[in-house]
Amino acid sequence: NAGVTQTPKFRVLKTGQSMTLLCAQDMNHEYMYWYRQDPGMGLRLIHYSVGEGTTAKGEVPDGYNVSRLKKQNFLLGLESAAPSQTSVYFCASGTVLYNEQFFGPGTRLTVL
Amino acid sequence: SQQGEEDPQALSIQEGENATMNCSYKTSINNLQWYRQNSGRGLVHLILIRSNEREKHSGRLRVTLDTSKKSSSLLITASRAADTASYFCATDLQSGAGSYQLTFGKGTKLSVIP
Repeated sequence: NAGVTQTPKFRVLKTGQSMTLLCAQDMNHEYMYWYRQDPGMGLRLIHYSVGEGTTAKGEVPDGYNVSRLKKQNFLLGLESAAPSQTSVYFCASGTVLYNEQFFGPGTRLTVL
Repeated sequence: SQQGEEDPQALSIQEGENATMNCSYKTSINNLQWYRQNSGRGLVHLILIRSNEREKHSGRLRVTLDTSKKSSSLLITASRAADTASYFCATDLQSGAGSYQLTFGKGTKLSVIP
């Protein structure tokens, strides 16, 4: 099992550019999450999904969109990147029963 | 807004000593979890304690939960250099049938000196 994988690992964007981060999990989990981690801020939930075809907003959703077309994939999109979106992005998956979440290795994004 | 807050923010100990980290939270919870994050890596789940449990053990880890004080502690016994990492508590928001959101604290950065 690969667990949770994220692509790309690193990315540099210019202000206004768009990009999509891909998260994939092979554990057949219903729930998937996107977080951002900034120095001194801990992890903050951006969007999440409770199943294929469903998405919902988290704590800091502005400037991001997501899609869950397949159960194993959760995509995070930035339509017009801003320097404030410079961060490390983590994807996670889990089941509702125990709430334990399994995290990917992260994507380090820099917006110039 | 953050539900859990860890204390201290940073902790430095000698190998072999015990390390204790605390977490306080604000509202009622179903369970509380602790995660570890090594530098440059994703978070790894360590232990989950439910609101009706007071203490739980896993190897060298001991977690306590005091719901009356809305606090938890993580004790790592006989620390090793490999325990050097950031430790986060995470609490769910009590939301009836099937809570699925976790809120994370800012973490305690533990350094274990060989």
